[in-house]
Amino acid sequence: EVQLVESGGDLVQPGGSLRLSCAASEFTFNKYDMTWVRLAPGKGLEWLSQIGGSGDRTYYADSVKGRFTISRDNSKNTLYLQMNSLRAEDTALYYCAKARMGVTRDFDYWGQGTLVTVSS
Amino acid sequence: DIQMTQSPSSLSASVGDRVTITCRASQSIRNYLNWYQQEPGKAPRLLIYAASALQSGVPSRFSGSGSGTDFTLTISSLQPEDFATYYCQQSYSSFITFGQGTRLDIK
Repeated sequence: EVQLVESGGDLVQPGGSLRLSCAASEFTFNKYDMTWVRLAPGKGLEWLSQIGGSGDRTYYADSVKGRFTISRDNSKNTLYLQMNSLRAEDTALYYCAKARMGVTRDFDYWGQGTLVTVSS
Repeated sequence: DIQMTQSPSSLSASVGDRVTITCRASQSIRNYLNWYQQEPGKAPRLLIYAASALQSGVPSRFSGSGSGTDFTLTISSLQPEDFATYYCQQSYSSFITFGQGTRLDIK
């Protein structure tokens, strides 16, 4: 069974940085695009970023462009999200998800999420 | 960015009811429309992709239709486990957007 396990969420001060990880198993990781999505308190799902299977393509939502960086280490089957210049409005549960087929932009497996709280 | 607008934002219904949720895109997205279910405290679950294709393992009471700018998700006979929040998501653009969500609760 496909598994995605996020980690790295924490309480961080405004302006601080954090790196989230997503450990993947039971599928050929480098064949699939991966994405990050968040759910802020009282809000809906917000797509943040997507990366191609080889890491060659990256896309970002305007809300995080220039502050967040998506990357992957296919030798470790792990996806990352480096988050800099964090703001209170970045407080959310962060999910990683796997593209259903290769480069599609629909997502069939999701992790359980890791909580990021930005507060002084 | 392509804006996705769902209606209604919330809905109360009873077990056995037929329910329809609509999603409108700000421009044509052909059939690049997906639906997710999210129960409180759980990860989102893909229900429908490409507007009308049922994801593996999803009960047949869920169906999707539409193309261009207007789409619907229908649950033919609500079950207790269906009370959750539903999101549409466009995958036409590399810059993905979700609808604001429709909360479905028990009447």
